[in-house]
Amino acid sequence: EVQLVESGGGLVQPGGSLRLSCVASGFTFNTEYMSWVRQAPGKGLECVAKINPGGSETYSVDSVKGRFTIFKDNAKNSLYLQMNNLRAEDTAVYYCVTETWFRFDYWGQGALVTVSS
Amino acid sequence: QSALTQSASVSGSPGQSITISCTGTSSDVGGYNYVSWYQQHPGKAPKVIIYGVSNRPSGVSNRFSGSKSGNTASLTISGLQAEDEADYYCGSRRSTHVVFGGGTKLTVL
Repeated sequence: EVQLVESGGGLVQPGGSLRLSCVASGFTFNTEYMSWVRQAPGKGLECVAKINPGGSETYSVDSVKGRFTIFKDNAKNSLYLQMNNLRAEDTAVYYCVTETWFRFDYWGQGALVTVSS
Repeated sequence: QSALTQSASVSGSPGQSITISCTGTSSDVGGYNYVSWYQQHPGKAPKVIIYGVSNRPSGVSNRFSGSKSGNTASLTISGLQAEDEADYYCGSRRSTHVVFGGGTKLTVL
């Protein structure tokens, strides 16, 4: 059974930093593209970052470029999202997701990030 | 503002069929056969119900079907059931990543 378990969410002040983690199990982690998809309260979905299986290629949406970094540790079956200089508009539930040919098959339970003073 | 355009809401009675549309451009929906649809119940993570425009993952009811014409993709749900009440999102490849629609809330009357 595929499992994706996120951690690291919480309340942070504007300008602060947070690192999300996602531990994967039930599939071969080092052969899968992985993404972070977020959903602001009452809003739609947005893919904020994506990484290739080996971790050498990444994509991030324009609104987080230079602030968020996606990386993975295949030895630990773990995906990360380092978020710096957080803004109020980054408040959202962040999902760790497997991506296969531009479809998101498996989703974690989500980690809530709240940016507020 | 979302990259793809969906109507905000749709409703139907049990047993009826409804269609949700998703309009993009030639850079996403119209340019690739990588359109997916996701169902999300309140407080839950989304679940993929259609991928590659018209393919259903194992375990998804055949009451769900997808199609595409030009820059517009469509999701049709036939034989509406109470448990179909949820938010539905389309997603499409755009270059190296995926863009989503704003979501459509389906109400089963």
